[in-house]
Amino acid sequence: SAVISQKPSRDICQRGTSLTIQCQVDSQVTMMFWYRQQPGQSLTLIATANQGSEATYESGFVIDKFPISRPNLTFSTLTVSNMSPEDSSIYLCSVDKRGEGRETQYFGPGTRLLVL
Amino acid sequence: KQEVTQIPAALSVPEGENLVLNCSFTDSAIYNLQWFRQDPGKGLTSLLLIQSSQREQTSGRLNASLDKSSGRSTLYIAASQPGDSATYLCAVEGDSSYKLIFGSGTRLLVRP
Repeated sequence: SAVISQKPSRDICQRGTSLTIQCQVDSQVTMMFWYRQQPGQSLTLIATANQGSEATYESGFVIDKFPISRPNLTFSTLTVSNMSPEDSSIYLCSVDKRGEGRETQYFGPGTRLLVL
Repeated sequence: KQEVTQIPAALSVPEGENLVLNCSFTDSAIYNLQWFRQDPGKGLTSLLLIQSSQREQTSGRLNASLDKSSGRSTLYIAASQPGDSATYLCAVEGDSSYKLIFGSGTRLLVRP
């Protein structure tokens, strides 16, 4: 398995500001992902965080709005830039342990963001 | 484009009832299907994973089935308990990537 922590667990921010969310894993993993869950909706993949290279973004998400860092195999950050109320969501990171014979993804507890 | 739908959106049952949650997907070219449980502030926990070649998986009181050709999966919970109260999410992984496509979930409340 994998133990994943996220900081902060929740925050209330003013529009126009930026927030950086941290994701820490207790073991080295190749693949890390960032998801967004808007109120009452399903999880949507934002990007795959690649170690040593730029993140790979899904359609509808851009690097200027959601810059991602992946400095090593156990850590990643997601920044939500120039926030608006529409960015109010839960942001979750996940890791894939497929290389270790485990098929499932493991998820962090999430960061609940409210933008006023 | 893969779309995943879950019915019902919410469900309230008395303790002890058996219940079924439904998940449907539009593209049958999947690698696997997973059922997750989401508790507030605790992220997601994988309950059952069914590979595309499998028909069902069981864990304790939980049984998940997969009919790939019709694009359907069901999660059966036997003898429900108040501790089963949570949001249940269905997610499919496509043939060619590690991306998970999630349904919007079913919020389950089991009343004592």
